[in-house]
Amino acid sequence: AQTVTQSQPEMSVQEAETVTLSCTYDTSESDYYLFWYKQPPSRQMILVIRQEAYKQQNATENRFSVNFQKAAKSFSLKISDSQLGDAAMYFCAYRFPYGGATNKLIFGTGTLLAVQP
Amino acid sequence: GAVVSQHPSWVICKSGTSVKIECRSLDFQATTMFWYRQFPKQSLMLMATSNEGSKATYEQGVEKDKFLINHASLTLSTLTVTSAHPEDSSFYICSARDSLGSSPLHFGNGTRLTVT
Repeated sequence: AQTVTQSQPEMSVQEAETVTLSCTYDTSESDYYLFWYKQPPSRQMILVIRQEAYKQQNATENRFSVNFQKAAKSFSLKISDSQLGDAAMYFCAYRFPYGGATNKLIFGTGTLLAVQP
Repeated sequence: GAVVSQHPSWVICKSGTSVKIECRSLDFQATTMFWYRQFPKQSLMLMATSNEGSKATYEQGVEKDKFLINHASLTLSTLTVTSAHPEDSSFYICSARDSLGSSPLHFGNGTRLTVT
């Protein structure tokens, strides 16, 4: 079964600094999607970034970028120039690429990020 | 962008009563919707997959008779918590995907259920 592990329950970063959140996963599939979601205190799930496993190039979205290491099954999130609004719970998630029931997201346990002014 | 509306955003009910939570895709058709449960400071746990026009697929350990799911149309799925008890108090979140295989899931704002 697919599993997602986030080994950092909590992280802290100074405003304007860079922080990296770790995620590892386990799967026997070769094609899948990986995501980072942000959940602020409002508890709305916000998609931060996504990565298709077949793409070798790491995804980037403005200040957010990932380091995708397929062989190592590692998918870390780097937040550059951290802002106070980045403070939230961050979840790493795995998803099959197919439709229907196998399209479900499997979430990691989350990392609570605090941003210090 | 795609919007998923979840209602109500919070509800308080008495033990033994039932409560229904609605999840609507507002600007796209969702053949599949997912229901998650989240306890405080914990991750989202998938409860069931809701398929339009067919029975829901429940995850192991989730009581299908307690958490009734109905997906009667391409834009609406409902979760009914039957005979609620205080231990059912939690945050419930739905998500939906349109027909494109590459599109991400869109999440509702969640429902905070408190059973007294």
